[in-house]
Amino acid sequence: NAGVMQNPRHLVRRRGQEARLRCSPMKGHSHVYWYRQLPEEGLKFMVYLQKENIIDESGMPKERFSAEFPKEGPSILRIQQVVRGDSAAYFCASSPRVSLGTGELFFGEGSRLTVL
Amino acid sequence: KQEVTQIPAALSVPEGENLVLNCSFTDSAIYNLQWFRQDPGKGLTSLLLIQSSQREQTSGRLNASLDKSSGRSTLYIAASQPGDSATYLCAVSYGANNLFFGTGTRLTVIP
Repeated sequence: NAGVMQNPRHLVRRRGQEARLRCSPMKGHSHVYWYRQLPEEGLKFMVYLQKENIIDESGMPKERFSAEFPKEGPSILRIQQVVRGDSAAYFCASSPRVSLGTGELFFGEGSRLTVL
Repeated sequence: KQEVTQIPAALSVPEGENLVLNCSFTDSAIYNLQWFRQDPGKGLTSLLLIQSSQREQTSGRLNASLDKSSGRSTLYIAASQPGDSATYLCAVSYGANNLFFGTGTRLTVIP
């Protein structure tokens, strides 16, 4: 049973380009979460999705960032017109349960974005 | 505002020592608390999950305690080994859609 798979593991973009990060949850998990870890900071929640639905995007920057989790295929975090401040590790996590009140999150190894 | 604080930020101990990592949270109305391990350039591995009704959880040489009323948790590592060197993260759930993470304690166990 494969864990949470993220790709690419490392991505380099120039300012103004687009970055697309992909996440395949663990088998049987239909709840996906994206977190961002800025250098020397803790992980910060960005967005929570279920298949074809964005449930909570309260942690997403209002501009340039978007996320989706289609019926088929991986979840995608998309960053348009990247800036240097977007350089960070982006982690995806999945859960089999609706509420985190009782369940665990399983994390991928992250995608490290560097903006030149 | 829900904040999670971990002290110390970094810790070095000689191999074989027992050690304690601390985590405090400002809002005590938690559902659960998790301790994670993060190796450099890697993802997070869940170590222990404590539900709000529990006082502690144990797994091998690890023991995590929870004191909701004081807003504190500790992670106790017995007989530390060089392989325990990593960053340890504390994360709190309030039952909604996200976890609140501390900034971690970077542990180095010296052979």
